[in-house]
Amino acid sequence: DGGITQSPKYLFRKEGQNVTLSCEQNLNHDAMYWYRQDPGQGLRLIYYSQIVNDFQKGDIAEGYSVSREKKESFPLTVTSAQKNPTAFYLCASSPQGANTGELFFGEGSRLTVL
Amino acid sequence: KNQVEQSPQSLIILEGKNCTLQCNYTVSPFSNLRWYKQDTGRGPVSLTIMTFSENTKSNGRYTATLDADTKQSSLHITASQLSDSASYICVVTRENSGYALNFGKGTSLLVTP
Repeated sequence: DGGITQSPKYLFRKEGQNVTLSCEQNLNHDAMYWYRQDPGQGLRLIYYSQIVNDFQKGDIAEGYSVSREKKESFPLTVTSAQKNPTAFYLCASSPQGANTGELFFGEGSRLTVL
Repeated sequence: KNQVEQSPQSLIILEGKNCTLQCNYTVSPFSNLRWYKQDTGRGPVSLTIMTFSENTKSNGRYTATLDADTKQSSLHITASQLSDSASYICVVTRENSGYALNFGKGTSLLVTP
């Protein structure tokens, strides 16, 4: 079945450690996105990529990094520079520009910093 | 400022009852509005999309309305089921906005037996 796979589902990290969240899609979508979701807040865009080997900062990119070496993959690294990394992270893709509004989301990764 | 406000923040209803969720926006120029359903601990899933020319659209027991003049949308759930318990998120897209979407904070719905 086509879809977006995020891993791991749950992740615990000690302060000062970098962690990488995986996002893989087999929908053949060009655009991919990373969002952060905190309780009581709307989704906030971290990074997005319109095409392989190209990505753009979103609203809250500080302390995060991404790569887009393959169309299917868009991993997110949460670095030690991120001040408050505990959150629910959602990866999404869309077949074209997000102007159509439809995003296809993965199941999310919950990161907890101990 | 392009904003999306949803109300109520949370709602509890009895199984079988109807409910209506509201979404008010200031996003301009308007392109489209989507309602997503997000089960706890899962990713959001699109329920319906509303464009400028559409007033009402149904998807099973879900009916969305749009009043582009007052910049309001509603999501009506008929004959609620326990599986309707979720967060419902309103997302508004601005014309020529590239990859920027405007997310509401969501309404958390709990359907009880």
